[in-house]
Amino acid sequence: DAGVIQSPRHEVTEMGQEVTLRCKPISGHNSLFWYRQTMMRGLELLIYFNNNVPIDDSGMPEDRFSAKMPNASFSTLKIQPSEPRDSAVYFCASSLPEGSREAFFGQGTRLTVV
Amino acid sequence: GENVEQHPSTLSVQEGDSAVIKCTYSDSASNYFPWYKQELGKGPQLIIDIRSNVGEKKDQRIAVTLNKTAKHFSLHITETQPEDSAVYFCAASSNTGGFKTIFGAGTRLFVKA
Repeated sequence: DAGVIQSPRHEVTEMGQEVTLRCKPISGHNSLFWYRQTMMRGLELLIYFNNNVPIDDSGMPEDRFSAKMPNASFSTLKIQPSEPRDSAVYFCASSLPEGSREAFFGQGTRLTVV
Repeated sequence: GENVEQHPSTLSVQEGDSAVIKCTYSDSASNYFPWYKQELGKGPQLIIDIRSNVGEKKDQRIAVTLNKTAKHFSLHITETQPEDSAVYFCAASSNTGGFKTIFGAGTRLFVKA
């Protein structure tokens, strides 16, 4: 398996534009997590899904952020409209809820909003 | 809400010395405690984990201890090497509400040759 795949790796956008980050979890994993990493706040859990259903979105900072998981192999995190303070590295991770429970992280998307 | 605190934020050791990173958690339902290592430009990667029914676990130069009563857990790296330099995260997870994992703020470890 290629691991968790995120795209794009880097995104530079202007303030006010819509940004969509994409994630393909590891096949067979049924838990998916979106994290945001900044120097100031570390790794913050934004939202997580279990069997494609959002379980806890309390970490989503504002209504400008939304996430979907239309099927077991794809998830998106959307920011609309984007702001400079959204600049961060966004990670997607997937895991099995039973067994090892190890979360496998993607390479991340570095978002810069100017 | 759930919280994981991690100390220190930065740790510098001489090659060959030991490094210890400590974490505390607030959610008494937490029963799985992984440790991740993050190298520059990469996502965090699991290096060792421990479950609530075990007090200690060792894997070569890395060991973790867990004190459920005090809600403390620690990472010990012995005989440190320059390639151990990275950011280390502790985390706590419970199996309520779908296995939510909360991370500590991270410890930047420098191993000086």
